[in-house]
Parts: sequence; C-alpha cells; structure tokens
Amino acid sequence: EDQVTQSPEALRLQEGESSSLNCSYTVSGLRGLFWYRQDPGKGPEFLFTLYSAGEEKEKERLKATLTKKESFLHITAPKPEDSATYLCAVQANFGNEKLTFGTGTRLTIIP
Amino acid sequence: ETGVTQSPTHLIKTRGQQVTLRCSSQSGHNTVSWYQQALGQGPQFIFQYYREEENGRGNFPPRFSGLQFPNYSSELNVNALELDDSALYLCASSFDNYEQYFGPGTRLTVT
Repeated sequence: EDQVTQSPEALRLQEGESSSLNCSYTVSGLRGLFWYRQDPGKGPEFLFTLYSAGEEKEKERLKATLTKKESFLHITAPKPEDSATYLCAVQANFGNEKLTFGTGTRLTIIP
Repeated sequence: ETGVTQSPTHLIKTRGQQVTLRCSSQSGHNTVSWYQQALGQGPQFIFQYYREEENGRGNFPPRFSGLQFPNYSSELNVNALELDDSALYLCASSFDNYEQYFGPGTRLTVT
C-alpha cells in the first residue's frame, strides 16, 4: 500500500528564515510526486510535479527536490503570504487513478 | 481558461438524508477525481471517472456513488448520510489522469 509521511506537522518561521519540509514515501513504482499548497477551507493549489530521482523544480521562493525515498520542499526567505498547509502526494504506476496524500505541514511565517 | 468549479460551497444535511455535489472540470480535461478531506487530514481518494466510466475506487462504501457527463462534469452522490461524512469534498480534474487540479471544495456538515 502506498504511504506518504510529512514532517514536521507544523513549522513556525520568522520572515526571511529559510527552511525545508520533508515528504517520505513508499510506492510500488512512482509515476509522479506532487506538491500542493492549501489555504484554510480552500482546495489544494497545484505547485509542482516531480517524476524521477534527481529532478528539481522552482517557483518563486519554493524549490522541490526528489530522491528515491523522499522529497523536500525548500522555502527561501519566506514571506507571511507563504503561510499555508503544504501537501505532498504520490501517484503510482499501477493503480494510478488516485493520489495518496500525506497529512501536510502547516507553515506559519511570522512578520 | 476556466478552472475547476464546485457547487454548492456549503451544505448542511441531517443524518439519513441524501446529498448531491457537483463539479465542472477545467477546460480540456477529461478525468474527474473525488476526494474527502477531514479536518487536519490529507484528502482521501473516493473514486475517479474517465470518459464517463468509473476508473478506480478507494475504500468508501457503495452509498458513495458518482456520474460523469459527456461534457466531463461530474456528480458525487452520498446516500444515508452519517455524522462521519462531515468533511470537505474536493473534486479534481486532469487530462488523461496526469496533473490533477482541484476545485475550491464543498463543505458538508451532517447533523
């Protein structure tokens, strides 16, 4: 069974203080790993897809990386508007109709 | 380009009642997936529709059912509502089951 574990559960940073969020996964053949941002009471907003180990993608202050067992979401010099829950999900090659999500990391950026 | 839309935004139902939630997929997408998200948890896969056929189902009972229409919009029906069905219901659309883009969700409260 596919599993995704995210850590930490919650993270508080000062504005400008860089850090990383972790997503560990087990899947029987990875089709893709996805990062989403979710604001309270809203639907997840797509950020990145990573397909193979060694791949990296960037968007503004965010950078996602992938190894064979985990992914990191690095946030550089965050701003208060980066406060949200960040969700990681995997899609398997077999049974690829579903995304399996972690429980998310709740990120708070303090001005 | 129109994104994924869902209706209604909020809904309050009584235990034992039936509910229908609606989703319009993003332009150009042919696949719709439904997820249930409890408070503080990641989304859980309910089922997926691809070209009007069910294309995979998660661990949800048969009282959760769905439809996809020729224009690729979709409905989620839940019969015999239970208190534990209270959650945020999310619809996601994609093209050929690649990157999934989520709608804003429907908040269902069962009393």
